[in-house]
Amino acid sequence: DGGITQSPKYLFRKEGQNVTLSCEQNLNHDAMYWYRQDPGQGLRLIYYSQIVNDFQKGDIAEGYSVSREKKESFPLTVTSAQKNPTAFYLCASSTGTSGSNEQFFGPGTRLTVL
Amino acid sequence: AQSVTQPDIHITVSEGASLELRCNYSYGATPYLFWYVQSPGQGLQLLLKYFSGDTLVQGIKGFEAEFKRSQSSFNLRKPSVHWSDAAEYFCAVGNFMDTGRRALTFGSGTRLQVQP
Repeated sequence: DGGITQSPKYLFRKEGQNVTLSCEQNLNHDAMYWYRQDPGQGLRLIYYSQIVNDFQKGDIAEGYSVSREKKESFPLTVTSAQKNPTAFYLCASSTGTSGSNEQFFGPGTRLTVL
Repeated sequence: AQSVTQPDIHITVSEGASLELRCNYSYGATPYLFWYVQSPGQGLQLLLKYFSGDTLVQGIKGFEAEFKRSQSSFNLRKPSVHWSDAAEYFCAVGNFMDTGRRALTFGSGTRLQVQP
């Protein structure tokens, strides 16, 4: 079955540590996205990538980094510079970035800072 | 800049009752509009989308939405709610011709609770 997988489902981090969230898709989509979800705030865009080896900052990129070395993979690193990283993180992909392209979402990773 | 407002944070309806979730957008041109649903702890699933043409669009799970340009609205409706419809619903807007943005803008969501 085609889809998007995110791992791990739950992640715990100590303050000052970097952690990497995995996102893989087998939909052959060019574009991939990372969103952060906090209660009452909806989804906020962290980074997006329109094509391999290219990515752009979203609305809340500070404290995060990404890479796009393969079409299928778009990992997100939450660095120690992110002051409030506890949140639910969602990865998505689409065939393009024209605005009319439906985004398909993974099941999410819940990150908790201890 | 484009924006989406969902005025109702939380709505409770009785099972079998009708439902309307409100969504207002801000965008200069004709937007691309989406409604997504999210079950607790899960990702988002597309319910329906509007690009052009008939302003009343049908989606999955018996949902429909109506685009009203004069009111900048794209409200989601369902004639008879089922207990399984309890979830969080997100409205989103796309179309980036003059903004340079290349991702959807989401509203803050409406949490639907269904009473037996």
